[in-house]
Amino acid sequence: SQQGEEDPQALSIQEGENATMNCSYKTSINNLQWYRQNSGRGLVHLILIRSNEREKHSGRLRVTLDTSKKSSSLLITASRAADTASYFCATGRDTGRRALTFGSGTRLQVQP
Amino acid sequence: DGGITQSPKYLFRKEGQNVTLSCEQNLNHDAMYWYRQDPGQGLRLIYYSQIVNDFQKGDIAEGYSVSREKKESFPLTVTSAQKNPTAFYLCASCVTGKSTDTQYFGPGTRLTVL
Repeated sequence: SQQGEEDPQALSIQEGENATMNCSYKTSINNLQWYRQNSGRGLVHLILIRSNEREKHSGRLRVTLDTSKKSSSLLITASRAADTASYFCATGRDTGRRALTFGSGTRLQVQP
Repeated sequence: DGGITQSPKYLFRKEGQNVTLSCEQNLNHDAMYWYRQDPGQGLRLIYYSQIVNDFQKGDIAEGYSVSREKKESFPLTVTSAQKNPTAFYLCASCVTGKSTDTQYFGPGTRLTVL
């Protein structure tokens, strides 16, 4: 299976609610990034968290990282219809292959 | 206007044909990447390049080829050896290729085999 796997695969919520997406990975990492993809478009970087960090905030986004459990979560607070998109985690290492490994994504639908 | 561009947006190929997807960036980035995305799936790495005239295979390089003759350009050729090429192809670049770099993505090319 892939290095990064998101859970759930799909999530539907009402505007104003919080959305939580989880990412699990298998090998040791130096950092983890979250990206967003609107349907049929390229990905856009949201936030990066390093392996020595436990939590990071950016606007309505909150990311946590638990390296002992090899997992990360992305929380979007007070969701808006414009948050509807797919969200991917991507893990990076500074040794070996210097390329990110992307998960399979969570499709978020925010109902107005 | 800085950014990364891909062309064409849609591409149709007959079986047995080779096709080349264009990727250009004017961000002065050293590293460039090609990914394949199938419906409802994540991104899989095809090839990447961290410097001009050098590139490495990703996880699914069979049936694909690339070149990196110029810093700003990283074309991908889908050959007839690729048995199931219908997919969405994304190109990305980043400053140096370090794992902490943000990757910037193009808008993608949707390839359909007729």
